[in-house]
Amino acid sequence: DSGVTQTPKHLITATGQRVTLRCSPRSGDLSVYWYQQSLDQGLQFLIQYYNGEERAKGNILERFSAQQFPDLHSELNLSSLELGDSALYFCASSASGTSGGEQYFGPGTRLTVT
Amino acid sequence: AQSVTQLDSQVPVFEEAPVELRCNYSSSVSVYLFWYVQYPNQGLQLLLKYLSGSTLVKGINGFEAEFNKSQTSFHLRKPSVHISDTAEYFCAVEGTSYGKLTFGQGTILTVHP
Repeated sequence: DSGVTQTPKHLITATGQRVTLRCSPRSGDLSVYWYQQSLDQGLQFLIQYYNGEERAKGNILERFSAQQFPDLHSELNLSSLELGDSALYFCASSASGTSGGEQYFGPGTRLTVT
Repeated sequence: AQSVTQLDSQVPVFEEAPVELRCNYSSSVSVYLFWYVQYPNQGLQLLLKYLSGSTLVKGINGFEAEFNKSQTSFHLRKPSVHISDTAEYFCAVEGTSYGKLTFGQGTILTVHP
């Protein structure tokens, strides 16, 4: 158990819909990262927040957005869903936002878009 | 920008045999290097990391990796594998962008009895 929790574990929804994935980092960790894992794209970095502020951005679609709240939990919002958005979405946290730190991964949210 | 190539998508091996999972990276700047393991239906767990210093890095569960700057490689090794090592292994690099990991495509290690 990494200490990072993600809800829900599974999500099935239809094309065009909007969903919200939630992540609670390990106690004391200030940095949260979101990754997408799919069969065709592999594991891809989406976005990083540090203490409530966006720190780095990867290949995140405009239909996707994220935020980190004052209590440090984070939410990833996916809208206008397409079949290709079906994937496993991981959240990770680390104590700081600096390079070289260990990232602790949650168990993931499996999103299926039908 | 960085990229990572894991040279084998699948590696089958018998129990107690040695194994090497290969990883090459490309980067125009200095990088940090990581190996993560993903067991079925679980998140990723850090096996080991190279930040600086000795090029031979020891990690958890008896794994080790060697950083070779001239060959831009970071191969993962274990002298004797167990059935419980069956999992997918990911090599990752981190460059100048804080915390942004770039992952390879993964290598599925299957240990047979």
